[in-house]
Amino acid sequence: EPEVTQTPSHQVTQMGQEVILRCVPISNHLYFYWYRQILGQKVEFLVSFYNNEISEKSEIFDDQFSVERPDGSNFTLKIRSTKLEDSAMYFCASSLGGGELFFGEGSRLTVL
Amino acid sequence: AQSVTQPDIHITVSEGASLELRCNYSYGATPYLFWYVQSPGQGLQLLLKYFSGDTLVQGIKGFEAEFKRSQSSFNLRKPSVHWSDAAEYFCAVGAKAGTALIFGKGTTLSVSS
Repeated sequence: EPEVTQTPSHQVTQMGQEVILRCVPISNHLYFYWYRQILGQKVEFLVSFYNNEISEKSEIFDDQFSVERPDGSNFTLKIRSTKLEDSAMYFCASSLGGGELFFGEGSRLTVL
Repeated sequence: AQSVTQPDIHITVSEGASLELRCNYSYGATPYLFWYVQSPGQGLQLLLKYFSGDTLVQGIKGFEAEFKRSQSSFNLRKPSVHWSDAAEYFCAVGAKAGTALIFGKGTTLSVSS
């Protein structure tokens, strides 16, 4: 069964460093998303991406964040200068556009 | 703006007993509604979804949910809970196909023997 894959599964970084989280969405999907989940809290929407541009973003997705689809298969989330409060599990999801999102297993980011 | 409320933070159910997890949403039209499950350290797995039509929807692992427009609810049910059902359950709402889903805060289900 096709699945969304994310790398790395866990990354530890120092405050102020740049981090890139990578996702390979399901191959025929058209919509791509990033969500985050701070430990013990709700799953929060960050950004959605369609037709090579951002289609929606939340208040959390400020100038420190960016997304890119550098080739036909990868979808990346970059955090330019990490802060302690960026520590969270980051989930990538993709969709054909029918409403249902398929999620990856997440990338845990720890900022020290 | 859309919102989702899951009133129960934590529920404990005996194995074999029935389960109902509550979800209320706020949205002007008929939204797309979902229930996802998250086991510890895992990603989110779709249990079931409602877009339109029959208001009682069946999902995987023996779960079902009923959409009640008059109550703005989409409660998740299972007639007999198994120990493997212990997990975090999230209700989510979407405005239309392709838009982001908004999640509730989740309900943690514990199963006692």
